[in-house]
Parts: sequence; C-alpha cells; structure tokens
Amino acid sequence: AQKITQTQPGMFVQEKEAVTLDCTYDTSDPSYGLFWYKQPSSGEMIFLIYQGSYDQQNATEGRYSLNFQKARKSANLVISASQLGDSAMYFCAMRGTTSGTYKYIFGTGTRLKVLA
Amino acid sequence: DSGVTQTPKHLITATGQRVTLRCSPRSGDLSVYWYQQSLDQGLQFLIQYYNGEERAKGNILERFSAQQFPDLHSELNLSSLELGDSALYFCASSTSTGVSSGANVLTFGAGSRLTVL
Repeated sequence: AQKITQTQPGMFVQEKEAVTLDCTYDTSDPSYGLFWYKQPSSGEMIFLIYQGSYDQQNATEGRYSLNFQKARKSANLVISASQLGDSAMYFCAMRGTTSGTYKYIFGTGTRLKVLA
Repeated sequence: DSGVTQTPKHLITATGQRVTLRCSPRSGDLSVYWYQQSLDQGLQFLIQYYNGEERAKGNILERFSAQQFPDLHSELNLSSLELGDSALYFCASSTSTGVSSGANVLTFGAGSRLTVL
C-alpha cells in the first residue's frame, strides 16, 4: 500500500531563517513522483516542487528545495529565507501507479507559521 | 489562475438536499480528479476520470456520483447531504493517466466550499 506521512502538525520559523518540513513515504512502485503543495488561508492548492524517483539530483525551485533520500524514503521540503507570506499549510504528495493509472495521495499536512 | 475552473465557489444548503459541483479542467488535460478536504484535514481522494471514463475510485460515498462529459468538464453530484459532508471539494486535472514521462503535476482549482446546515 502507498502511504505518505507528515509527522509535524505545526512548525514555527523566524523570518529569514530556513525551515525543513518532513515527509516520509512508502511504496513498492519502482517509479513514482513526489510533490509539495502550499495551501494558504485562502484555500487554494499551489504546486511548489516535484521530484521523480529516478532523478539523481534534488529538485530546486527558487527558495524551495526537496531533500530526497531514496533509501530512507524521505522527501523533505526545505524553505530558505522564510518570508511572512510562507505562512500556510504544506502538503506532501506522492504519485504512484495503480491498475495502469496515476494515483495521487496526500499527507495530513504541516501548518507553518513564520514569525516577524 | 491555475486554469482549472470550479463552480460554485461557495454553497450553503440543508441536510437531505442535493448539489452539483462543476469543474472545467485546464486546457489539454484529459484527467480529472476529485478530492474532499474536511476542516483542518488532508485531502481524501474521491474519484478520477480520464477522457470521459472512470479510472479510479477512492473513498467516495454511495450518495456521491460523478461523471466527465465529452467536452471534458466534470460534475460531482452529492445527494442526501449530511452535516459531515461540509467540506472543501477540489477538482484537479493532469495531462495523463498512465505511463508517461514527465511530472504530471496535479493542477488544482480554487475549490468549492460546501456548508450543510
């Protein structure tokens, strides 16, 4: 069975500091994808970053980087130089394949609060 | 604007009623996924369509049904509504359904917030 686990219900970080949001996953698929989404208080789901299971290098998108440790089945999101606007809910997600179709499952989320 | 359009944005109704949520996927996307997000919860997968055909079912109640039309828009029908059905319902689209290269990022609509009183 495929599973995504986010063990940090809430996190605080000081403005301009870096923060790491944890995500572990479980799958038996040899090919899968890992995603992070941001959900601000307005409710929309915003795609941040993607890592493919065969990608050799960690993904980066601006201030976001994904620390992918395949052997440990972890895909932590690192936000550098935190900004007040980064305060939001963050979801880790995994794309797997079931019966020839893509399936996306989500973790329970981590609520990040950036302090001024 | 993500390119995925959901209507209505907000809906307030009473228990026992029936509502229809509508989704237009991003141009070129053939797959539509529906998710339910209850208050302060994660996203629960409901159902997926690809080019008009149902491809996967998740934790969708029998009172709920969905379909994808030839123009690729999708509707989620919720009937005999209960208080516990109050949630944010998301539609998301992606370019593919099966084995293909690329990230196949799920692009979400803004959601339809349903309140059942």
